[in-house]
Amino acid sequence: AQSVTQLGSHVSVSEGALVLLRCNYSSSVPPYLFWYVQYPNQGLQLLLKYTTGATLVKGINGFEAEFKKSETSFHLTKPSAHMSDAAEYFCAVGSGGSNYKLTFGKGTLLTVNP
Amino acid sequence: DGGITQSPKYLFRKEGQNVTLSCEQNLNHDAMYWYRQDPGQGLRLIYYSQIVNDFQKGDIAEGYSVSREKKESFPLTVTSAQKNPTAFYLCASSPRLEETQYFGPGTRLLVL
Repeated sequence: AQSVTQLGSHVSVSEGALVLLRCNYSSSVPPYLFWYVQYPNQGLQLLLKYTTGATLVKGINGFEAEFKKSETSFHLTKPSAHMSDAAEYFCAVGSGGSNYKLTFGKGTLLTVNP
Repeated sequence: DGGITQSPKYLFRKEGQNVTLSCEQNLNHDAMYWYRQDPGQGLRLIYYSQIVNDFQKGDIAEGYSVSREKKESFPLTVTSAQKNPTAFYLCASSPRLEETQYFGPGTRLLVL
């Protein structure tokens, strides 16, 4: 079984400040990890993903995430928030093999204050 | 442009009525998925299809049905057995089952 916990259903930052969205996972097999972003009344857009290899993953719009196996974490960061970053962010974990399934966290709503 | 389309954007269901949500992709992906999104709940998997003429139940399949007669299409029917259908429904596809999923714009289903 696998699960995802996103700490903080709502995060508020000032424009230009660091963005840190937390994600912890549990998985019985080596995980695939994803961050998606959702703008109001729209579908999900892939920000970045980790499958194998380098543990620091760079995505679109200046976001990056680091896979830390010892901490079972995959936190999302951006050095400087922009107003356009305001959206809901979802962390997801998948596993390889024929029983592949993607499990999503409950989401973190990011607001950016001017 | 390649992508995933869902229609309609908004759908209203009367009590006791079955409604069908459309999902079409022109990405040549083998796998397709249906998720339900409720506020504060994240996404929950309803059904998925690894290949044409094959589909499997997800975590919350009760009250829903699907078909996969064509590679491009994976319609979802919300039956009258689904007692709480009001939600945002998202369709996704991936090249194969284990690969990255890409999402459509969603359909919001409301009950009259």
